[in-house]
Amino acid sequence: GQQVMQIPQYQHVQEGEDFTTYCNSSTTLSNIQWYKQRPGGHPVFLIQLVKSGEVKKQKRLTFQFGEAKKNSSLHITATQTTDVGTYFCGVFGNEKLTFGTGTRLTIIP
Amino acid sequence: EAGVAQSPRYKIIEKRQSVAFWCNPISGHATLYWYQQILGQGPKLLIQFQNNGVVDDSQLPKDRFSAERLKGVDSTLKIQPAKLEDSAVYLCASSFAAGGYEQYFGPGTRLTVT
Repeated sequence: GQQVMQIPQYQHVQEGEDFTTYCNSSTTLSNIQWYKQRPGGHPVFLIQLVKSGEVKKQKRLTFQFGEAKKNSSLHITATQTTDVGTYFCGVFGNEKLTFGTGTRLTIIP
Repeated sequence: EAGVAQSPRYKIIEKRQSVAFWCNPISGHATLYWYQQILGQGPKLLIQFQNNGVVDDSQLPKDRFSAERLKGVDSTLKIQPAKLEDSAVYLCASSFAAGGYEQYFGPGTRLTVT
C-alpha cells in the first residue's frame, strides 16, 4: 500500500512562532490533501494540492507541493492557540486516501 | 447543510461481545468511508463504499468486521466478536464521489473493549 511519512511527530512552539510539518512519499503522488484534527475532534479538510510546485495560502497557512510531487509541506506563520491539533496529510492511490502519521502541534502561551 | 451523523458517540463492551455503529452521510454523497483511528495514529481506511457497492475493503478484518450500505445512503459497521485491540475511534466520512474529493468526517464513535 501507499507509504507516507510525516515529520516531525510532535512540535511544541511558543505562541507567535512559526510551525512547519512535512509529508514525504517514495512514489510520485497524483494529489495530496491536508486535514486538521483538534484534540478530541475529527479530521477537517483544509486543502488539496494537485499541480507540481503548487503553493496555496489560507490566511496564516501556506501549503506547498514539491516539484517532483513526492513531498508537501504545511507552514503556519505566527501560531495562535487555535492552531493546536494534529495535522495530517493524505495521499491518493487506487482511489483510496492513505493518511500520514500526523504532526501534533502544541502551543505554549 | 447537515454534516455526517454517527451513533453512538461512546461504547464500552467486554471482549468477545458484539457492537454496531451507524453512520448517515451528507445528503447526495455517493462515497462513504469507515476509518479506524487508534490513539496517536492517523485514520486507517477499513472499507469504502461507492453507492451501495464496496470499492475497497482490503484492510477490513473480515473474520470479525462487517459493513453494509444496503440502500446506498446510511451504513452500519459491526464487530463480532470484539478484541481488546479493537479499542479505537471509528470514524465515518463521506465525499461527493470517489477519488480526489474532500472527505467530510463525522464525530466518530469511541469504542473501549475491556
